[in-house]
Amino acid sequence: AQSVTQPDIHITVSEGASLELRCNYSYGATPYLFWYVQSPGQGLQLLLKYFSGDTLVQGIKGFEAEFKRSQSSFNLRKPSVHWSDAAEYFCAVGSGGATNKLIFGTGTLLAVQP
Amino acid sequence: EPEVTQTPSHQVTQMGQEVILRCVPISNHLYFYWYRQILGQKVEFLVSFYNNEISEKSEIFDDQFSVERPDGSNFTLKIRSTKLEDSAMYFCASMGLASETQYFGPGTRLLVL
Repeated sequence: AQSVTQPDIHITVSEGASLELRCNYSYGATPYLFWYVQSPGQGLQLLLKYFSGDTLVQGIKGFEAEFKRSQSSFNLRKPSVHWSDAAEYFCAVGSGGATNKLIFGTGTLLAVQP
Repeated sequence: EPEVTQTPSHQVTQMGQEVILRCVPISNHLYFYWYRQILGQKVEFLVSFYNNEISEKSEIFDDQFSVERPDGSNFTLKIRSTKLEDSAMYFCASMGLASETQYFGPGTRLLVL
């Protein structure tokens, strides 16, 4: 069965520091992978996605993620974090097929220190 | 930019009451979804809907739940007799044909007392 693991429940970084949020997935075929961000009281906003091709994908707000098949990982990175990046980040894998439901990880809550 | 909208943003109801959560998907999208997020937990798939029928549902989506697309624009989730454990944020999402990307609405926070 498909699953997504986000090992870090909570991360705190200083503003201006680099960020890496980890995501590991379990999926039998080539996965569709997504990162969504949820600000407090808000809905889920798509940051970026990977379907195929270049394994380094660029998203909005200066985020990028790298797909590594050998490690079953899709880690999210940002070179310099801004205070407005404080939010919860969810990695998800699409099940494909007729429904393509999303299976989410448990999320990583990012706090940004001034 | 087109977006998914949901109403109401918040709903408080008594246990045993029926609630209907409404969603307006992006206009040319054909796949529709409901997810829920219990406070402090991950987002869970409830149901997917395509071509006027349910294409997949989770174990959570029991007989108390139903979905409907009553007209060309709305997509609704009905809970017939709410339980305390139905308290959650409910997200609607939609996806276009030949796309693999779902776009989410802002959610409806449901509180069952």
